[in-house]
Amino acid sequence: DIQMTQSPSSMSASLGDTVTITCRATQGIREYLAWFQQRPGKAPKSLIYAASRLQSGVPSKFSGSGSGTDFTLTISSLQTEDFATYYCQQYKDYPYTFGGGTKVEI
Amino acid sequence: QVQLVQSGAEVKKPGASVKVSCRASGFQLTAYYVHWVRQAPGQGLQWMGWINPTNGDTKFAQNFQGRVTLTRDTSITTALFELNSLRSDDTAIYYCARGGSGQTDLWGQGTLVTVSA
Repeated sequence: DIQMTQSPSSMSASLGDTVTITCRATQGIREYLAWFQQRPGKAPKSLIYAASRLQSGVPSKFSGSGSGTDFTLTISSLQTEDFATYYCQQYKDYPYTFGGGTKVEI
Repeated sequence: QVQLVQSGAEVKKPGASVKVSCRASGFQLTAYYVHWVRQAPGQGLQWMGWINPTNGDTKFAQNFQGRVTLTRDTSITTALFELNSLRSDDTAIYYCARGGSGQTDLWGQGTLVTVSA
């Protein structure tokens, strides 16, 4: 199985900050990577697919990049609603696998 | 309103089976694959499989092959998930999500399944 490793596992940030989360795959997945946001007690919300394409309705403060094994999610101008846990997921090979998550805290 | 609406929480004994439904509201389920993902308490996300509601084709993670059944109802408005031979470590929130065969774009609210003697 392809293992997805996110770093950091948690981070502290302030309102208005820009943060970057990284995701690394144990083998190349081209651009078959998605990012999700999960607020406490809520279902995951899809943010990005194909490594850099924003889902409909997702604000442009979220951006993704990368290809192969190394990927990043950048969130600019952090607002209260952005403090959440973020997951990456590869969908290149079965079983699809998720990273362990990055908790962004105030 | 475009959403996936899942059935309510379940409590089951070890060895039993559980069924969870996922109803499409505001869109045609046949236009999408339906994925199932679970999240144990305080843990991350685990992909379990998908079904293509149009033709009933399925794909499972090997960990769940033989224990999970994915179907859709005859009206093809609802996707159904069944997990057999429940164990305590199956206690989790189970999510359905629509998408293609790979990426997903809309998730249900989740269904808590508790397995306890």
